[in-house]
Amino acid sequence: EAGVAQSPRYKIIEKRQSVAFWCNPISGHATLYWYQQILGQGPKLLIQFQNNGVVDDSQLPKDRFSAERLKGVDSTLKIQPAKLEDSAVYLCASSLLETQYFGPGTRLLVL
Amino acid sequence: TQLLEQSPQFLSIQEGENLTVYCNSSSVFSSLQWYRQEPGEGPVLLVTVVTGGEVKKLKRLTFQFGDARKDSSLHITAAQPGDTGLYLCAGEGTGNQFYFGTGTSLTVIP
Repeated sequence: EAGVAQSPRYKIIEKRQSVAFWCNPISGHATLYWYQQILGQGPKLLIQFQNNGVVDDSQLPKDRFSAERLKGVDSTLKIQPAKLEDSAVYLCASSLLETQYFGPGTRLLVL
Repeated sequence: TQLLEQSPQFLSIQEGENLTVYCNSSSVFSSLQWYRQEPGEGPVLLVTVVTGGEVKKLKRLTFQFGDARKDSSLHITAAQPGDTGLYLCAGEGTGNQFYFGTGTSLTVIP
């Protein structure tokens, strides 16, 4: 069974630029999560989708972050404009029931 | 946001030693999960505990869920270098939402 795919794996941008991350969940998984993990900390939930609807986006900085889940499958997370403090690993996870399966993450460095 | 505090934050031990990692919260969770994360990878689920007081064993790892379902512990017996990694607890709230702890970085020295 293929795992959660994410791209790109690494991204370096300058502050005020835009960036987008892509996630392809495990086939059949209805729930998709985006997390932000700052170095040395645990992941922080940014947004949770159930199929193509948003369940929770209370911790998503909506002035600069946006996310969508196309047709309830793939998802993209965008940051526009990026700030220095957005440097982190962005993890995507999907689940069918209570078990989350994580992708390898996208490591973002904002200079 | 339901906060989960883990202790210790960092732990460096010799191979063969035992250790315990704690995960504490003031919130009640319907279940609690433990993950291990290696550099450059996403977290990988180790175990899910559901019932208050539940104890689960996975080879040299023992997981316990507190009676009130607010806290948990992970005990590793005879640690091996392969146990090195970031250990994360995550509590499940309503709607399949997960709240991760602050993490414990474990280094096992050969």
